[in-house]
Amino acid sequence: ELKVEQNPLFLSMQEGKNYTIYCNYSTTSDRLYWYRQDPGKSLESLFVLLSNGAVKQEGRLMASLDTKARLSTLHITAAVHDLSATYFCAVDIVQGTYKYIFGTGTRLKVLA
Amino acid sequence: GAVVSQHPSRVICKSGTSVKIECRSLDFQATTMFWYRQFPKQSLMLMATSNEGSKATYEQGVEKDKFLINHASLTLSTLTVTSAHPEDSSFYICSARVGLSGNTIYFGEGSWLTVV
Repeated sequence: ELKVEQNPLFLSMQEGKNYTIYCNYSTTSDRLYWYRQDPGKSLESLFVLLSNGAVKQEGRLMASLDTKARLSTLHITAAVHDLSATYFCAVDIVQGTYKYIFGTGTRLKVLA
Repeated sequence: GAVVSQHPSRVICKSGTSVKIECRSLDFQATTMFWYRQFPKQSLMLMATSNEGSKATYEQGVEKDKFLINHASLTLSTLTVTSAHPEDSSFYICSARVGLSGNTIYFGEGSWLTVV
């Protein structure tokens, strides 16, 4: 059974600081996805990582993928209050059927 | 761009009644759609995978007789919560996969279900 775990589950940080969210998954996959969710809303796609070593950056967020370690990171640089949200990683696999499984989520709160 | 529309966005129903949630892909064909349930401050839990023209594949622990999924066309999947109870109150999100082998997934806006 595929398990996707994120660390930390909750993160409170000051504006201007840097931090990294980790996403570990338990089975082989070459693809990983990051999403943002604001309270009461659906998901906003942030990054699609399609191969080992993939790195993508958008603004203050940068995501990377190490398929050998089954690890992805989401790095936050100089956090601002607007980044406060819940961040999910997701992995897709074929286990009989195609499945798209989400990580446990990281609730980020950036304090002004 | 591609859009997945869910309806209704919010619904309140009485205990014991059934409620249907629709998920439509507006400008692409979705051979596969997924249904998720999300309780407050928790992750999205995959309930079932819905393939057009065939029976849905349910995840372990999800009651198929309670959560009826129909994927009658390439643009529409429905989730019916039968005999709803307050513990079924949750945020339900659908998503649709583009094409047969693509890795592009689009998510609906979600549906808040409150059972009173």
